[in-house]
Amino acid sequence: NAGVMQNPRHLVRRRGQEARLRCSPMKGHSHVYWYRQLPEEGLKFMVYLQKENIIDESGMPKERFSAEFPKEGPSILRIQQVVRGDSAAYFCASSPQRITPTGTTEAFFGQGTRLTVV
Amino acid sequence: AQRVTQPEKLLSVFKGAPVELKCNYSYSGSPELFWYVQYSRQRLQLLLRHISRESIKGFTADLNKGETSFHLKKPFAQEEDSAMYYCALQGAQKLVFGQGTRLTINP
Repeated sequence: NAGVMQNPRHLVRRRGQEARLRCSPMKGHSHVYWYRQLPEEGLKFMVYLQKENIIDESGMPKERFSAEFPKEGPSILRIQQVVRGDSAAYFCASSPQRITPTGTTEAFFGQGTRLTVV
Repeated sequence: AQRVTQPEKLLSVFKGAPVELKCNYSYSGSPELFWYVQYSRQRLQLLLRHISRESIKGFTADLNKGETSFHLKKPFAQEEDSAMYYCALQGAQKLVFGQGTRLTINP
């Protein structure tokens, strides 16, 4: 099992372009979480998805950001018309089921995509 | 609201000294708390969870509901403990992280 794979590792976009960040969860995992890490800040929750469903998107900016986790293929975090303030590291995590304390479920993280908007 | 606070962004101690990384939380329900660690050039990984009451790499963390805290402790720090540490709270729907504490162990 290769672990959670995120690509690209580094992405440079000009202001106004679109950024598409991909996350392939671990095999057998149907739950995906996206986080944003701004410079000098911690991990900010963005969205929680199960296959084909958005469960919690309370951390997503209302405009320009969207996320999906289709039945087949990776989860995609899409940022339209990027601005300089979108520059950050974006982390994806997956779990086989909802994270609970009673079992062995935990979130496994990818290495992140570092987005730079110039 | 679901919130995790780590008051120290940076913490530096000498090898062999005790370590305590502070974490406070705010949550109306029954908290499910975790510590995650990120070593240099590695991905974030689970260190321990409060329900298991285990000691991992010499670290322990006790949930104090009265003080709404989940501080991470180790009696004798080692150089390989240098890393970024995140406290996290699992709520009804999402896993929320604190800002992280960068721990540096000096030789």
